[in-house]
Amino acid sequence: EVQLVESGGGLVKSGGSLRLSCAASGFTFSSYSMNWVRQAPGKGLEWVSSIVSSSSQIYYVDSVKGRFTTSRDNAKNSLYLQMNSLRAEDTAVYYCVRDWDVWGQGTTVTVSS
Amino acid sequence: QSVLTQPPSASGTPGLRVTISCSGSSSSIGTNHVYWYQQLPGTAPKLLIYRNNQRPSGVPDRFSGSKSGTSASLAIGGLRSEDEADYYCATWDDSLSGPVFGGGTKLTVL
Repeated sequence: EVQLVESGGGLVKSGGSLRLSCAASGFTFSSYSMNWVRQAPGKGLEWVSSIVSSSSQIYYVDSVKGRFTTSRDNAKNSLYLQMNSLRAEDTAVYYCVRDWDVWGQGTTVTVSS
Repeated sequence: QSVLTQPPSASGTPGLRVTISCSGSSSSIGTNHVYWYQQLPGTAPKLLIYRNNQRPSGVPDRFSGSKSGTSASLAIGGLRSEDEADYYCATWDDSLSGPVFGGGTKLTVL
């Protein structure tokens, strides 16, 4: 069964840092681009970042550039999102998404001001 | 506001058909494939339609997608109470060089 499991969310103060992880199983992780998508409370979906299978190309939405870093470890079947200088507006459920078909259950990040 | 425009709400009667629209631009829907997602309350989004009109295995054929010019539509036939959910369209935007989502449509089954 294809599965994505996010972890690492929590409550952090404004200006703080968190590292999200996404553990993949049931498919050849190294063959797929991966994405992070977030959803603020009561709001719609927002793309955050994408990384190609080889990590040679990584993309970010403008609002997180310079603060967030996406990486992956194909040997560990894992995707990461390092979030620094967090702001209240980063409060959201963060989803790990395989290509654009399979979604994880999400992990909640709450930034208190 | 979202790059892709969806109606905030839609409703329909069980057994009937409802259509949800998604309006974009020449740099988004006009030149890229459209995806549709269903998000049931309290759960993660689920892929319903990819590449404009393709259904993943397991998605009932009551769900269908179409695209024309800079707009796309999701149709749900034989409406059921379990179809009550939020529906999102998504595509790539060449001008923004990134994926974009619609604001979402909350479907109510009357």
